[in-house]
Amino acid sequence: DAKTTQPPSMDCAEGRAANLPCNHSTISGNEYVYWYRQIHSQGPQYIIHGLKNNETNEMASLIITEDRKSSTLILPHATLRDTAVYYCIVLNDYKLSFGAGTTVTVRA
Amino acid sequence: EPEVTQTPSHQVTQMGQEVILRCVPISNHLYFYWYRQILGQKVEFLVSFYNNEISEKSEIFDDQFSVERPDGSNFTLKIRSTKLEDSAMYFCASSEFGRSNTGELFFGEGSRLTVL
Repeated sequence: DAKTTQPPSMDCAEGRAANLPCNHSTISGNEYVYWYRQIHSQGPQYIIHGLKNNETNEMASLIITEDRKSSTLILPHATLRDTAVYYCIVLNDYKLSFGAGTTVTVRA
Repeated sequence: EPEVTQTPSHQVTQMGQEVILRCVPISNHLYFYWYRQILGQKVEFLVSFYNNEISEKSEIFDDQFSVERPDGSNFTLKIRSTKLEDSAMYFCASSEFGRSNTGELFFGEGSRLTVL
């Protein structure tokens, strides 16, 4: 399985963009990068995923480097409700394997 | 918006008892999953299920665990003889697609199991 490395925590000011980095240097050519988040003890929530191209949806943008060894999740205007643990996951076959993620705290 | 529903939200049981956790996946989804999260720890994959059989399971999913889709709508996780270490939040999830591009996995809100 391709492993991912994320910083354990980061703070962000409300209304500012939050840039969450992820390293996945062992990713193989057909593996997708997924981002999920978990607010408190709720079920994980899908944010976005991509293979090679940058992706954007109503929640976030995903920037994947050309060599695909790292990616950045961008929350364009963080709100207090974005405080959560964010997981960067390289999908292997049928299962998502969650790591420790990045605990993002949005401060007023 | 469609959602995955789980029951019960919280169950307390005695060690050695059987427990069944129930999930109703999103109706047009074909792939189903169980995950668990022990308090303060990471979310762990247990099992995936497709076409009425297990696709993949983790080391955690031993003979004490089983899954079933008894009636085409429910997806259940049974723990035959619960142990103290089975205390956790159990999350059900479903997706329309599988393998390397599952798209979005929809997770339920979880069932908290407390084993005394």
